[in-house]
Amino acid sequence: GAGVSQSPRYKVAKRGQDVALRCDPISGHVSLFWYQQALGQGPEFLTYFQNEAQLDKSGLPSDRFFAERPEGSVSTLKIQRTQQEDSAVYLCASSLFRGLLTGELFFGEGSRLTVL
Amino acid sequence: KQEVTQIPAALSVPEGENLVLNCSFTDSAIYNLQWFRQDPGKGLTSLLLIQSSQREQTSGRLNASLDKSSGRSTLYIAASQPGDSATYLCAVSDNQAGTALIFGKGTTLSVSS
Repeated sequence: GAGVSQSPRYKVAKRGQDVALRCDPISGHVSLFWYQQALGQGPEFLTYFQNEAQLDKSGLPSDRFFAERPEGSVSTLKIQRTQQEDSAVYLCASSLFRGLLTGELFFGEGSRLTVL
Repeated sequence: KQEVTQIPAALSVPEGENLVLNCSFTDSAIYNLQWFRQDPGKGLTSLLLIQSSQREQTSGRLNASLDKSSGRSTLYIAASQPGDSATYLCAVSDNQAGTALIFGKGTTLSVSS
């Protein structure tokens, strides 16, 4: 597709449920990032993939968060046993180049997760 | 640890005004700085990317400047229009942050007709 696509756009989960959020990056983009944006805040980094390799997961807030990109294209962010503090918009971004030294970052519209 | 601050948090102006949004960062050892626009309920759109070796970038009515040594960047919007109403986010990448962009909280701009 022409841009980064995320699904679902909205997800309501009961506390304790597992959720999976999908990201389709721009075709051919090497780098893929996940960010978490709480209400009224700037996005905060979660994890980075270069092709299928997860090179940086330093931003994942707990071991309940897991991300994968098995074929170097589509990525899934999984949150196990959701808690209310997980409520946020989860943004996916991709870039043609490796890392952040060059090139723009293209963001999807995000998946808004509400945990009741 | 790198911190990014944006001032003001919110700004309201009448249509046609020129305006400046400010961004400051605590560690000047950055690789680049980006300005993004975010409309309500939407993702981020990259507006301008300034590499650490550059002083400014221009795109249409937008001009972004970078002063690495003082840890500051400004986004200048000329002849503002109601369609410019959005939240503007500044973000930096640096060696310490690795592959993470460090974002400010944004400036929410409202342009009235």
